[in-house]
Amino acid sequence: SQTIHQWPATLVQPVGSPLSLECTVEGTSNPNLYWYRQAAGRGLQLLFYSVGIGQISSEVPQNLSASRPQDRQFILSSKKLLLSDSGFYLCAWSALGQGNYGYTFGSGTRLTVV
Amino acid sequence: AQTVTQSQPEMSVQEAETVTLSCTYDTSESNYYLFWYKQPPSRQMILVIRQEAYKQQNATENRFSVNFQKAAKSFSLKISDSQLGDTAMYFCAVAPRGYQKVTFGIGTKLQVIP
Repeated sequence: SQTIHQWPATLVQPVGSPLSLECTVEGTSNPNLYWYRQAAGRGLQLLFYSVGIGQISSEVPQNLSASRPQDRQFILSSKKLLLSDSGFYLCAWSALGQGNYGYTFGSGTRLTVV
Repeated sequence: AQTVTQSQPEMSVQEAETVTLSCTYDTSESNYYLFWYKQPPSRQMILVIRQEAYKQQNATENRFSVNFQKAAKSFSLKISDSQLGDTAMYFCAVAPRGYQKVTFGIGTKLQVIP
């Protein structure tokens, strides 16, 4: 069966520090991968999505970047965190060409920038 | 562009009763999919139910059913025989057919009262 792993679960980082959140999927090949950010009262905002290795689409200009070094690995990064980067980050995957069957989400990372 | 509106920030229901969560959406696409996701306090997002817009029959998954009114662009979720485990944030979402990105509403917080 397919599983998705996301870590760390919680993270407290000072302003100006770098960030790296990792997400991996098991049990499937060529998944579509997504990074969402969830802020209170604002729902889920799509940050990045990827349909293949090295293929990244950015939805919102921001202080963050994403990379897909391997088929089932998706990384969210920042060189210098801002206070506004605080939030709950969710990774998700869907089968290639079958995004309309819904996503499977990871358990999320609570990021607090202090 | 797509938008999803959930006008009920919070709702409560007595255990074993029925509750309906509202959702309206807007899309210029003729073929699209609608979703309800559940996010319990554990924060893991779970797909509850999915509706294909070209199907007139309302989707049903056990105690969960939808009332899909395509002309009104309305997609409400009905939870029958509410259980304590139904306590969660519920997100309505829409995605065009063949399109990988899903647009979410801001969510409705449901509290089931024993």
